[in-house]
Amino acid sequence: EVQLVESGGGLVQPGGSLRLACAASGFTFSSYGINWVRQAPGKGLEWVSYISVSANNINYADSVKGRFTISRDNARNSLDLQMNSLRDEDTAVYYCARDRSPYYMDVWGKGTTVTVPS
Amino acid sequence: QTVVTQEPSFSVSPGGTVTLTCGLSSGSVSTSHYPSWYQQTPGQTPRTLMYSTNIRSSGVPDRFSGSILGNKAALTITGAQADDESDYYCMLHMGSGIRLFGGGTKLTVL
Repeated sequence: EVQLVESGGGLVQPGGSLRLACAASGFTFSSYGINWVRQAPGKGLEWVSYISVSANNINYADSVKGRFTISRDNARNSLDLQMNSLRDEDTAVYYCARDRSPYYMDVWGKGTTVTVPS
Repeated sequence: QTVVTQEPSFSVSPGGTVTLTCGLSSGSVSTSHYPSWYQQTPGQTPRTLMYSTNIRSSGVPDRFSGSILGNKAALTITGAQADDESDYYCMLHMGSGIRLFGGGTKLTVL
């Protein structure tokens, strides 16, 4: 079964850091780009970041640029999102989603929740 | 800053047809934005419906269709069913690898 499983969410104080992970199974992880997408409570989806198969193409939303870093380890079939200088507006469920050409997502994880109190 | 626009809410009768749209605060949506559409019911993970404007994702019934209507991308549901009641999000590729979601449309079937 094709699957993405996020982990690492939790409660962190403003200004703090958190590292999210996304574990892939059921497909050749090294052949796919991966996105992070988040959803604040009661709000819509927001694209956060993308990493290509060999990590030579990385993109961020303006809202997280300079604070978040995406990385991947193809040998471990995993993806990370290092989040620094966290703000209350970063509170959300964070999903990892498999990228397909051209520019859409076809497999989604169930998400992990990050809470940054105001 | 460019914003992707969607109707906040829409209502359709069972068996009816509804068209949800996806526009830009500045400019027109074209196939070069590779519009994709996602369905999400409360508490659930998003489900991919459509990509590259009008290609249905695996398992999506053919009563869902995508198009460009005027200067917007559109998702049309023909013969709406009760379980189509969901939030619908479009996503556009804005160039340079940047993706943008619209604010979503809450569809009510009643």
